Amino acid sequence: QKEVEQNSGPLSVPEGAIASLNCTYSDRGSQSFFWYRQYSGKSPELIMSIYSNGDKEDGRFTAQLNKASQYVSLLIRDSQPSDSATYLCAVKFQGGGNKLTFGTGTQLKVEL
Amino acid sequence: DADVTQTPRNRITKTGKRIMLECSQTKGHDRMYWYRQDPGLGLRLIYYSFDVKDINKGEISDGYSVSRQAQAKFSLSLESAIPNQTALYFCATSDSSASGGPISYNEQFFGPGTRLTVL
Repeated sequence: QKEVEQNSGPLSVPEGAIASLNCTYSDRGSQSFFWYRQYSGKSPELIMSIYSNGDKEDGRFTAQLNKASQYVSLLIRDSQPSDSATYLCAVKFQGGGNKLTFGTGTQLKVEL
Repeated sequence: DADVTQTPRNRITKTGKRIMLECSQTKGHDRMYWYRQDPGLGLRLIYYSFDVKDINKGEISDGYSVSRQAQAKFSLSLESAIPNQTALYFCATSDSSASGGPISYNEQFFGPGTRLTVL
């Protein structure tokens, strides 16, 4: 069974610090990777997508992909209290029929 | 703004009742999905549809059925609701034409969700 693994947290970081969220996946042939942010009781919001090895930056967010090691990470620079949320990693597995498999999410708390 | 909407937003019902959750989108996407979310279990796919004539079961389709009435509308039905179907339900959409060469991006965009409670 193809799986996406995340540490459930909570991950606590002080305001202004870098938050690092990690995700591992089971299928080396996977090609599409996504990070969603979900506030409590709200719907997931797509914040980053990455398809190639290396880093992709968008504002304070950087996604990092290492296909050989089968992990994808999300860095949040200058963390703000408004970044406090659950971050979901999603993977489109090769041969998965264009479906996404989601991890259970990591809860991030940014403390004042 | 192009959007994904879900109705109702909250519903409390009793065991054995038939329930329909509706999803509409103005994004012009061809693919639509239904997920449920339970604490500690993450998002799980119930059904998905890649066009009006295409319906596929996800990993937890038992006890559910769907209807794709138009490209923009995708409904989820619980024929006889039971308490363990209490969950947060999300509709999502994606665009099959969004791709980069051989890679189909399949970015999915979610509706606001329906909180369903079955007593």
